Amino acid sequence: GENVEQHPSTLSVQEGDSAVIKCTYSDSASNYFPWYKQELGKGPQLIIDIRSNVGEKKDQRIAVTLNKTAKHFSLHITETQPEDSAVYFCAASKGTGRRALTFGSGTRLQVQP
Amino acid sequence: ETGVTQSPTHLIKTRGQQVTLRCSSQSGHNTVSWYQQALGQGPQFIFQYYREEENGRGNFPPRFSGLQFPNYSSELNVNALELDDSALYLCASSLALAGENIQYFGAGTRLSVL
Repeated sequence: GENVEQHPSTLSVQEGDSAVIKCTYSDSASNYFPWYKQELGKGPQLIIDIRSNVGEKKDQRIAVTLNKTAKHFSLHITETQPEDSAVYFCAASKGTGRRALTFGSGTRLQVQP
Repeated sequence: ETGVTQSPTHLIKTRGQQVTLRCSSQSGHNTVSWYQQALGQGPQFIFQYYREEENGRGNFPPRFSGLQFPNYSSELNVNALELDDSALYLCASSLALAGENIQYFGAGTRLSVL
């Protein structure tokens, strides 16, 4: 089955710096890659997603890039703020419609004021 | 807020007992997926329900079972609880359209098995 690896496990940056989280996936048939943010005591919240027919997607300070050949995708957060501190998960799924998500192990991002 | 609600928020059970967790999906969503999230790990897929039938299952034993009701709400049942079942159980709802798989999560139920 699909395997998603995520790095780093922890990341500490200064407020205003950029943060980059990287994931690799094993199944070349995967075609949907969402990123979730999970704050303490809450469920994962979708922050951005990308499909395999697109190489890059941006939403304000957040961007995601996808390299299908290398089977990796990355989350980029610019101008980080203390409220960006949380655990971030990448995920992958394949097919259309109703499909399970395979998650990475998470990255704990801490933004120092 | 995603509109996905789960109950109860916390639960304590002893080994060997049975537990039922509940999930109300976001309005208009017809698919519910359940995930188990152990401490410090990413969520793991348990199973998915679409139109009241199981539509895919992860690597979980048969003592994990579920139901989906006509209003698309869902239950997760776990029999013969084991210590390793202690985790956050997440429900995600989605609208099954061709090419779409956006899943919205509830806040979860934290289950502790003693």
